[in-house]
Amino acid sequence: QKEVEQNSGPLSVPEGAIASLNCTYSDRGSQSFFWYRQYSGKSPELIMFIYSNGDKEDGRFTAQLNKASQYVSLLIRDSQPSDSATYLCAVRQGGSNYKLTFGKGTLLTVNP
Amino acid sequence: GAVVSQHPSWVICKSGTSVKIECRSLDFQATTMFWYRQFPKQSLMLMATSNEGSKATYEQGVEKDKFLINHASLTLSTLTVTSAHPEDSSFYICSARDRRIGYNEQFFGPGTRLTVL
Repeated sequence: QKEVEQNSGPLSVPEGAIASLNCTYSDRGSQSFFWYRQYSGKSPELIMFIYSNGDKEDGRFTAQLNKASQYVSLLIRDSQPSDSATYLCAVRQGGSNYKLTFGKGTLLTVNP
Repeated sequence: GAVVSQHPSWVICKSGTSVKIECRSLDFQATTMFWYRQFPKQSLMLMATSNEGSKATYEQGVEKDKFLINHASLTLSTLTVTSAHPEDSSFYICSARDRRIGYNEQFFGPGTRLTVL
């Protein structure tokens, strides 16, 4: 059973702070890692993806991947109240089927 | 680019009826589309993978005779919930993968909220 684990939260941070979201996965053959943001009642929207070990930055977001530890994280700098949402970690295994396995998500609340 | 639409956005039906949900990729061709179901406060659960021109591949525990999937073209996949019951009430979301090589992201539709009375 391929699993993706996230703390359900809620994670509460003050406006302007750094929010750190974590995700671990069980399948060592996983190749691609995605972070999605989902507002209540809406479908997920892609924030960013990462394939290689290390950091990848996009604006206020930084994804970090450590394949040896089977760990991927998302940092949100200068958190805004509009960042309040559930953040879903998704992992794609190798092969050609492109299926994603999602974690249960972490609820982030940014307090003004 | 990479816009995926779903129709309808919400539907209320009586128990025993069938409901069809459409998923369209508007500005790209999608070789593969995925259907997910999400119950309140739960994560997305993949129901099936739909490939254009071939039979869908269902995940373990998903009844293929109850959830009929058709992917007749590179821009349209449909999910039909047959003989719907209240326990089928959920948020159904499709996603589509751009067929161009190297595009690994899945782009999600806005979802369809199904309520079965």
